[in-house]
Amino acid sequence: DVKVTQSSRYLVKRTGEKVFLECVQDMDHENMFWYRQDPGLGLRLIYFSYDVKMKEKGDIPEGYSVSREKKERFSLILESASTNQTSMYLCASSPRDPRTDTQYFGPGTRLTVL
Amino acid sequence: GQQVMQIPQYQHVQEGEDFTTYCNSSTTLSNIQWYKQRPGGHPVFLIQLVKSGEVKKQKRLTFQFGEAKKNSSLHITATQTTDVGTYFCAGAGGGNKLTFGTGTQLKVEL
Repeated sequence: DVKVTQSSRYLVKRTGEKVFLECVQDMDHENMFWYRQDPGLGLRLIYFSYDVKMKEKGDIPEGYSVSREKKERFSLILESASTNQTSMYLCASSPRDPRTDTQYFGPGTRLTVL
Repeated sequence: GQQVMQIPQYQHVQEGEDFTTYCNSSTTLSNIQWYKQRPGGHPVFLIQLVKSGEVKKQKRLTFQFGEAKKNSSLHITATQTTDVGTYFCAGAGGGNKLTFGTGTQLKVEL
């Protein structure tokens, strides 16, 4: 079974703090993704990575950066957290083709920025 | 960029009633995937459709891909409380990634 884990289920941070969200997958998948989920807006792609050290902007990359130093780990960084980044963050991975392969999701991190 | 909309956003049904959610893309899709997210859970893959006009069934769930490959639907016959959750479609248009829809939240009342 594919397993995608995220470092925290719940996180509370203050405005201006630097925030790291980490995601690890154990199935040697090439692609990893970060989404945020907000009511009525569905899943919106922030960034994805198709290989180590490779990244591509998604639909809403502003205010975020990512890091993929190892194949199994993909980090989402909020350089200076703001209240409008309060959301559910979901990490996912897929084997090879980011357009057609099934995505496997982690449990999510609910981030609250005060 | 590519947009994928789903309607309705919410649906409340009585147990035993049918349910349908519709997915519409602004661009032609090479494939469409459907995911289900239970309350408090994460999205889980249900199925993928690739061919124009394709219809697939999983027990009480029927998935359809439109002839023009710009829309899709998920129909649940005789809903049960286990069907509760949010259903997402996701499609690949001209870019190199999947775009997820806005989701339909289904609530089933006894």
